[in-house]
Amino acid sequence: AQTVTQSQPEMSVQEAETVTLSCTYDTSESNYYLFWYKQPPSRQMILVIRQEAYKQQNATENRFSVNFQKAAKSFSLKISDSQLGDTAMYFCALNYGGATNKLIFGTGTLLAVQP
Amino acid sequence: DAGVIQSPRHEVTEMGQEVTLRCKPISGHNSLFWYRQTMMRGLELLIYFNNNVPIDDSGMPEDRFSAKMPNASFSTLKIQPSEPRDSAVYFCASRPPGPKYGYTFGSGTRLTVV
Repeated sequence: AQTVTQSQPEMSVQEAETVTLSCTYDTSESNYYLFWYKQPPSRQMILVIRQEAYKQQNATENRFSVNFQKAAKSFSLKISDSQLGDTAMYFCALNYGGATNKLIFGTGTLLAVQP
Repeated sequence: DAGVIQSPRHEVTEMGQEVTLRCKPISGHNSLFWYRQTMMRGLELLIYFNNNVPIDDSGMPEDRFSAKMPNASFSTLKIQPSEPRDSAVYFCASRPPGPKYGYTFGSGTRLTVV
């Protein structure tokens, strides 16, 4: 079975600092895709960043980057220069394709950026 | 592109009434997903369609829930009769062919059943 675990229900960071959100997953597939979604108080789910498992290079999108450790099945999200607008729930998700071809979501981490 | 369009944005209804939520996916996306989000249960996949065909409805809570996708540009989620425990935010999402793409979510419908 494919699972995604986010062990940090809540986190807090000061504005302009860097924070890392953790995500671990389990899959027996060799090729799969990992995602981070952001859900701010407006409730809109926004795709932040995507990583393809067969690519060793970590994905980066502006202030957002990932640390993908395939052997450890770890996929953490680093937010640099945190801004107040980064306050949101962050969800990690996995898709391996296959017959079901659907995203498996973690339970989310609520990040609060403090002024 | 206007993105995934859901309507209504908010719905308040009385217990026992029928509720219909609507979704227009992004043109060219061939997969459509309905999710429910609550504080207690988080994000739950209710059903998803591939090329307008329901593929997995194992998340539909009970027979009171039904979903249709009559064509590639429209889907509905219906609850009949509604109950207070159905109160939640319902999201529709769509995706192009292939697992490498993430979903694009609509803005959700907040349903309150009183």
